[in-house]
Amino acid sequence: DGGITQSPKYLFRKEGQNVTLSCEQNLNHDAMYWYRQDPGQGLRLIYYSQIVNDFQKGDIAEGYSVSREKKESFPLTVTSAQKNPTAFYLCASRKDRGGSGELFFGEGSRLTVL
Amino acid sequence: AQRVTQPEKLLSVFKGAPVELKCNYSYSGSPELFWYVQYSRQRLQLLLRHISRESIKGFTADLNKGETSFHLKKPFAQEEDSAMYYCALSRASGGSNYKLTFGKGTLLTVNP
Repeated sequence: DGGITQSPKYLFRKEGQNVTLSCEQNLNHDAMYWYRQDPGQGLRLIYYSQIVNDFQKGDIAEGYSVSREKKESFPLTVTSAQKNPTAFYLCASRKDRGGSGELFFGEGSRLTVL
Repeated sequence: AQRVTQPEKLLSVFKGAPVELKCNYSYSGSPELFWYVQYSRQRLQLLLRHISRESIKGFTADLNKGETSFHLKKPFAQEEDSAMYYCALSRASGGSNYKLTFGKGTLLTVNP
């Protein structure tokens, strides 16, 4: 089943712990994105990456970190500095060069910090 | 800065009634507008984009640059249309720093 895979689907952590969410895609897409989805807030962009070994901050990057060492992988770390980490996190990818601009989304990861 | 406004958090209609989900945007350049939909227990997916000018599942949306709007319309709503709808905006050309900005979403409920 091709597409974007996020893991884990559900994650519980204690306050003060760092957490890493996985995002893998086998679509050979160049660009990858992390969004946070909160009720009544819509989707807010955390980080994005256009190519391997390069990434940019989105609108709410504070308290998060990412890496893009491989084209197919774009993990997101929620650090202890993130003040309100409990949320639903969505990863997406886009073909970029020559693509239609459409974003393809994963099923999401729900993080709950206790 | 690019901004998308969806004024209605919730919209409830009866089956067979027309439905319009509103979307307004602000962007200084030439925008590309999208509607994404999230059905219950499914992943977020593209519904339609303004440049394709097509009707998907009976939905249409016209970009009105004068009113900076991209409202989503369907003449006869169906129960299976019940979902969360997001309007989104990006710069018209791709290339570097491509960002898709989403509105806060409208939850559409179609009652039998």
